[in-house]
Amino acid sequence: ELKVEQNPLFLSMQEGKNYTIYCNYSTTSDRLYWYRQDPGKSLESLFVLLSNGAVKQEGRLMASLDTKARLSTLHITAAVHDLSATYFCAGPPGTGNQFYFGTGTSLTVIP
Amino acid sequence: DAMVIQNPRYQVTQFGKPVTLSCSQTLNHNVMYWYQQKSSQAPKLLFHYYDKDFNNEADTPDNFQSRRPNTSFCFLDIRSPGLGDAAMYLCATSSLAGGFGDTQYFGPGTRLTVL
Repeated sequence: ELKVEQNPLFLSMQEGKNYTIYCNYSTTSDRLYWYRQDPGKSLESLFVLLSNGAVKQEGRLMASLDTKARLSTLHITAAVHDLSATYFCAGPPGTGNQFYFGTGTSLTVIP
Repeated sequence: DAMVIQNPRYQVTQFGKPVTLSCSQTLNHNVMYWYQQKSSQAPKLLFHYYDKDFNNEADTPDNFQSRRPNTSFCFLDIRSPGLGDAAMYLCATSSLAGGFGDTQYFGPGTRLTVL
């Protein structure tokens, strides 16, 4: 079973600052997914990373995948309050079709 | 356009009174998932369907059952809700076509309260 770990679990950052969320996973995988969840809401797909070296960017968020290091990062550039949410990474479906979620990173951007 | 729809959005039930949550999708995806999510936790997979094949997670209580009468609809039945079953229930779909996994598309969730 794929194990997915995220850090930090909680992140409080000032507006305008940069930071990175890390997602490590336990077994070889060529795909990794990022989701965003606002308080009291459902999950929204942010990025799908499908190969080693994949990089995707959307606004102030950039995600990358290093399959050899079994690591994905979500980089936040010049944070704004609207980015406050919980971010989950998830490993791809295994033979059982289930996705394996990380613990989530709760991000709070402070004015 | 709504792609994964869950009803109701909020459900209040009494301890031990059966409840059914519904999920429908317009994506024609072959896989449908049910997750339970409690406050400040990651979603926990309860079970999923690959087409008509039902897959139960080993630690899903027997109190939770599911039905998928057709591709578009999936139901979650909680036979005797306990206080510990109060949570957000999320339905998700994925295509998993040709073995090349697509991401999951989540419904808005049903917030279940047990009194």
